Amino acid sequence: GQQLNQSPQSMFIQEGEDVSMNCTSSSIFNTWLWYKQDPGEGPVLLIALYKAGELTSNGRLTAQFGITRKDSFLNISASIPSDVGIYFCAGGSNSGGSNYKLTFGKGTLLTVNP
Amino acid sequence: GAVVSQHPSWVICKSGTSVKIECRSLDFQATTMFWYRQFPKQSLMLMATSNEGSKATYEQGVEKDKFLINHASLTLSTLTVTSAHPEDSSFYICSARSLRGLAAMGTQYFGPGTRLTVL
Repeated sequence: GQQLNQSPQSMFIQEGEDVSMNCTSSSIFNTWLWYKQDPGEGPVLLIALYKAGELTSNGRLTAQFGITRKDSFLNISASIPSDVGIYFCAGGSNSGGSNYKLTFGKGTLLTVNP
Repeated sequence: GAVVSQHPSWVICKSGTSVKIECRSLDFQATTMFWYRQFPKQSLMLMATSNEGSKATYEQGVEKDKFLINHASLTLSTLTVTSAHPEDSSFYICSARSLRGLAAMGTQYFGPGTRLTVL
């Protein structure tokens, strides 16, 4: 089946630093979604991307849908302590059909030192 | 964004009993709902997909007779873990998607999860 390679697995940064993480795949996806999950909670949608080449921002977060449709990155600028959590990328296939499903990366654990 | 709720948020049960978990889309009609399970420090694993009014489609390796899914309305899906055993202990998360209404087309929203512990 489809697989996503998400990197890095974990990051330890100082407050105020910028963060970048990415996902790559050998398969093409129709959508890319980025989620953040806090301990004991469900994933919360951060950014959704629907078109190849699309660059979208949500506050300090910026994500891009790779032009080849096989990759995406998420940047967080000026990190703050509440950015701590696990970030998941997810690729969606057959977005308009009944066979649509998300494939998740393994997650990036972000730790921000105040 | 669209809101998805789950109930209960945690449950402890004895081995051999059945547990029902509810998932509701609160402000949109979910044409499709998904059920995931997540083990500690791992990613989400899709268990099954259900479209309103039809039988759920289970992923390979997921026992449909053990994990009963019902999606009777556009705002409610239930997952019943039958004859639960300790190895079924996990974090179960539902997700909902809509192709119409308030939720953006194709975007998938997650519930807060249910922590199941089987003794």
